[in-house]
Amino acid sequence: GENVEQHPSTLSVQEGDSAVIKCTYSDSASNYFPWYKQELGKRPQLIIDIRSNVGEKKDQRIAVTLNKTAKHFSLHITETQPEDSAVYFCAASGADNYGQNFVFGPGTRLSVLP
Amino acid sequence: GAGVSQSPSNKVTEKGKDVELRCDPISGHTALYWYRQSLGQGLEFLIYFQGNSAPDKSGLPSDRFSAERTGGSVSTLTIQRTQQEDSAVYLCASSFQDRAYEQYFGPGTRLTVT
Repeated sequence: GENVEQHPSTLSVQEGDSAVIKCTYSDSASNYFPWYKQELGKRPQLIIDIRSNVGEKKDQRIAVTLNKTAKHFSLHITETQPEDSAVYFCAASGADNYGQNFVFGPGTRLSVLP
Repeated sequence: GAGVSQSPSNKVTEKGKDVELRCDPISGHTALYWYRQSLGQGLEFLIYFQGNSAPDKSGLPSDRFSAERTGGSVSTLTIQRTQQEDSAVYLCASSFQDRAYEQYFGPGTRLTVT
């Protein structure tokens, strides 16, 4: 089955700096890779996703890159702000239109220091 | 419109008792997922419902766990003879059938087994 690893487990950056979180997956059939942000005591929320036919996707200060050959994908946050502080989870799925279960990474706790 | 709702928000129970956790998905969402999140840990897939298909129960950790979905909408996760290791936040998510990869999470039920 699929296995997703995520690094680092914790990350502290100064406000305004960039943050990068990396994930690797094991199942080459996986084709959908979402990222979720979970603030303390709140539910996970989808912040960006990428499908396997795309190498990079951007949404304002957030970008995700995917390397299918190496089976890894990364989340990039630029110009970090204190409100970016949260736990970030990556996931991999072999989702087709009818979906399958996701496999989540263990999470990265990001702290943005003012 | 209303998001995914879960009840109760908190549940404290004694070891050995049975508990039922409820999830109300977003109206029109045919896919429903249950996850478990232990303290400081990632999201562990439990079970997945899609329309009238047989559920994917591959993530259920033991036969003490079961779930049903009535009328293709509300779902109940039942844990029998609870153990202390069952203490966690139980999260429900739902999605449209043709966008089954885009999951929206409920607020979770925090279960504490004493």
